[in-house]
Amino acid sequence: GQSLEQPSEVTAVEGAIVQINCTYQTSGFYGLSWYQQHDGGAPTFLSYNALDGLEETGRFSSFLSRSDSYGYLLLQELQMKDSASYFCAVRRGAAGNKLTFGGGTRVLVKP
Amino acid sequence: EAGVTQFPSHSVIEKGQTVTLRCDPISGHDNLYWYRRVMGKEIKFLLHFVKESKQDESGMPNNRFLAERTGGTYSTLKVQPAELEDSGVYFCASSPGGALTYEQYFGPGTRLTVT
Repeated sequence: GQSLEQPSEVTAVEGAIVQINCTYQTSGFYGLSWYQQHDGGAPTFLSYNALDGLEETGRFSSFLSRSDSYGYLLLQELQMKDSASYFCAVRRGAAGNKLTFGGGTRVLVKP
Repeated sequence: EAGVTQFPSHSVIEKGQTVTLRCDPISGHDNLYWYRRVMGKEIKFLLHFVKESKQDESGMPNNRFLAERTGGTYSTLKVQPAELEDSGVYFCASSPGGALTYEQYFGPGTRLTVT
């Protein structure tokens, strides 16, 4: 079957760095995406890795190792507004348009 | 640019009734997806449209669910008859074609409660 594992919850203080790991076991892998969701809101696209390595977008970076079936999202200079749930999702399917999500990691940022 | 919109935001129905959810994708996006999150579980793929055609409906749970996409624009997801286990949040997403297909834009979801 398809599965993605990520921690359920992480707590950190403002200004800190948080790394959210994601390990996956899926078929038809195209790439790994990360989404942010605030309570009651829509999941919002953060980043996508199709190839091994690090992608940096402002305070957020994402890493992928295809050989290890592993990726992570790095949140730097944490701000209160970063308190949200973060989901890793594998892009798969015949045309790579199906997302299989992990259970989500709830990040709580404290002052 | 308007984002993905969904209607209604909440729906409470009784078991056995019918409910129709609507999704309006971002204008010009050929790809439209439906996902569902049942309480305590992960977000799960239901189906994918390319324009008006169903590309992949492997995630549809059973034949009580019917999705349509009229003229390749908005989409509806009908549940008939609804069962208790259908309760959850139904998300719609859209993406452009081509190289940016991987970036899916999600709507705020419809929270469905079946009592």
